Amino acid sequence: GEDVEQSLFLSVREGDSSVINCTYTDSSSTYLYWYKQEPGAGLQLLTYIFSNMDMKQDQRLTVLLNKKDKHLSLRIADTQTGDSAIYFCAVTGGGNKLTFGTGTQLKVEL
Amino acid sequence: GAGVSQSPSNKVTEKGKDVELRCDPISGHTALYWYRQSLGQGLEFLIYFQGNSAPDKSGLPSDRFSAERTGGSVSTLTIQRTQQEDSAVYLCASSLAASGMADTQYFGPGTRLTVL
Repeated sequence: GEDVEQSLFLSVREGDSSVINCTYTDSSSTYLYWYKQEPGAGLQLLTYIFSNMDMKQDQRLTVLLNKKDKHLSLRIADTQTGDSAIYFCAVTGGGNKLTFGTGTQLKVEL
Repeated sequence: GAGVSQSPSNKVTEKGKDVELRCDPISGHTALYWYRQSLGQGLEFLIYFQGNSAPDKSGLPSDRFSAERTGGSVSTLTIQRTQQEDSAVYLCASSLAASGMADTQYFGPGTRLTVL
């Protein structure tokens, strides 16, 4: 089945950029997603990218997709303390069900 | 409603008991999903309902797990004879499932199940 990997932790200083990386195995995903989960809360959709795109920018968020390497990244510009959360990438390898990565815990330090 | 709602928010049960978890999807969403989030397994797909089609049950971990969706809206996930390894947060999501578009899934707050 689909395998989606992320690094577990990332620590950045407030105001710096954060880059969260994700690799996946199934190249048939039509859309690839980034979700955010704050402590004790549900999953919030941040953004998504269509598989025929290389890049998508949405305010402070930039998604880069390298289909050849099956690599997806999320860049958060000017990271704030409110960005501290767990970030999940997700792909739709088989039908509409999402396969999630392991999640990256982002810690923003003052 | 404004978003996906789930009840109860927390459920503590004894090993061997049955539990029912409820999900109210966003009005008009034809697709409904159940996922499970646990420390050891991360976020896992459980089951998917789309309109009147047969549900995709490929993620259900055992025959103790079942789900139904009545009238194309509310869904109930039932776990029979609960085990301690069933302890997790059970998340429900719904989507429009419109063809040719990103099937954006909107998640509820989850039900935290603890099996003692």
